Amino acid sequence: DTGVSQDPRHKITKRGQNVTFRCDPISEHNRLYWYRQTLGQGPEFLTYFQNEAQLEKSRLLSDRFSAERPKGSFSTLEIQRTEQGDSAMYLCASSAGTGTRKLFFGSGTQLSVL
Amino acid sequence: DAKTTQPPSMDCAEGRAANLPCNHSTISGNEYVYWYRQIHSQGPQYIIHGLKNNETNEMASLIITEDRKSSTLILPHATLRDTAVFYCIVRVNNNAGNMLTFGGGTRLMVKP
Repeated sequence: DTGVSQDPRHKITKRGQNVTFRCDPISEHNRLYWYRQTLGQGPEFLTYFQNEAQLEKSRLLSDRFSAERPKGSFSTLEIQRTEQGDSAMYLCASSAGTGTRKLFFGSGTQLSVL
Repeated sequence: DAKTTQPPSMDCAEGRAANLPCNHSTISGNEYVYWYRQIHSQGPQYIIHGLKNNETNEMASLIITEDRKSSTLILPHATLRDTAVFYCIVRVNNNAGNMLTFGGGTRLMVKP
């Protein structure tokens, strides 16, 4: 168990550019979650996958955001035409599929949009 | 999901017990209480969870009142590394709607 891995740890981009983040969950976990966290706030849910199926999306996930988990393993989160308001920590978490709420989080990707 | 209320911040002396309260007065009978800890620049880390009975593990103890409307997370011997934000979350354990909803949490400052 190597934990949830996220890449990159930090990303600085200019407004209007596209960015993509990667998450590698714990290998036997079939559930994967993306959260966003701004300074001083708790993490906010963005989207959830069970295997390769995206089962839930928050209304926070505008049409500029897209997430995939093509083979039910790693996941990517892409933000198109970034805005300064997208600056945040993007957290990925995974869990085993038995209804438990015990989520394992990665260290996150810190996005700064200039 | 039931809403939780936590104090925004608390202080604790190193080596002393830290008692972090959480109110969840609208909790339903099938909702569990979960606690997570978030150290600066890291993702949240699961600590403990419970339904009705008090629970203890190597990290902490969870005390749930008999009416289940509030709970307390106890760190028996706080260390400087426990300086973090602690989140109390209530959620049903089922396969529908699997996201956890985080509030603002309690920022615990452990002082030497």
